[in-house]
Amino acid sequence: AAGVIQSPRHLIKEKRETATLKCYPIPRHDTVYWYQQGPGQDPQFLISFYEKMQSDKGSIPDRFSAQQFSDYHSELNMSSLELGDSALYFCASSRDRGKNFFGPGTRLTVL
Amino acid sequence: RKEVEQDPGPFNVPEGATVAFNCTYSNSASQSFFWYRQDCRKEPKLLMSVYSSGNEDGRFTAQLNRASQYISLLIRDSKLSDSATYLCVVTTFMNSGYSTLTFGKGTMLLVSP
Repeated sequence: AAGVIQSPRHLIKEKRETATLKCYPIPRHDTVYWYQQGPGQDPQFLISFYEKMQSDKGSIPDRFSAQQFSDYHSELNMSSLELGDSALYFCASSRDRGKNFFGPGTRLTVL
Repeated sequence: RKEVEQDPGPFNVPEGATVAFNCTYSNSASQSFFWYRQDCRKEPKLLMSVYSSGNEDGRFTAQLNRASQYISLLIRDSKLSDSATYLCVVTTFMNSGYSTLTFGKGTMLLVSP
């Protein structure tokens, strides 16, 4: 069965650089979520989109933005990167509320 | 106070043992409840939904007590492959009408031969 695809899987950036993470949800899933998971932490909800419209906002910094495109893929744009942004970034998609199917994640390292 | 609380463990058990995890949540308006499993450096995977009536999936049994705002997961006949972090997850409806998941910090289970 098709799963959530994320790219890139690994990304290394320097402080103050920008990064763009991509997510391709499971076909026919109408909701996309972004989560950030720091080392030893639980996933923290950042932002979600329902049918290409932003539906909810969690602890997403102002330096980050996201959007969902007409083909339902989503991108998380991160600017002015800080050391503390180093984390695993998961995208998840859903058709039923709560039943998130997670992608493999993008590991971002900020040097 | 964190919205979803779990004992981080680790719970060290031998193969074949029965182990139970608990989780409490603070938002009485929370609607849906789940257990996810996360292996080291991998993505969380849905293990099972949790219903007030209790539900069972093979060796796994989940229970919800809304009055006490308490969720449990019981694993019988533990296998080595059950070693993972178990995340308690609660769905809360936002002002927008949509919902989001709130994760507990997870409980680590280590099953030894």
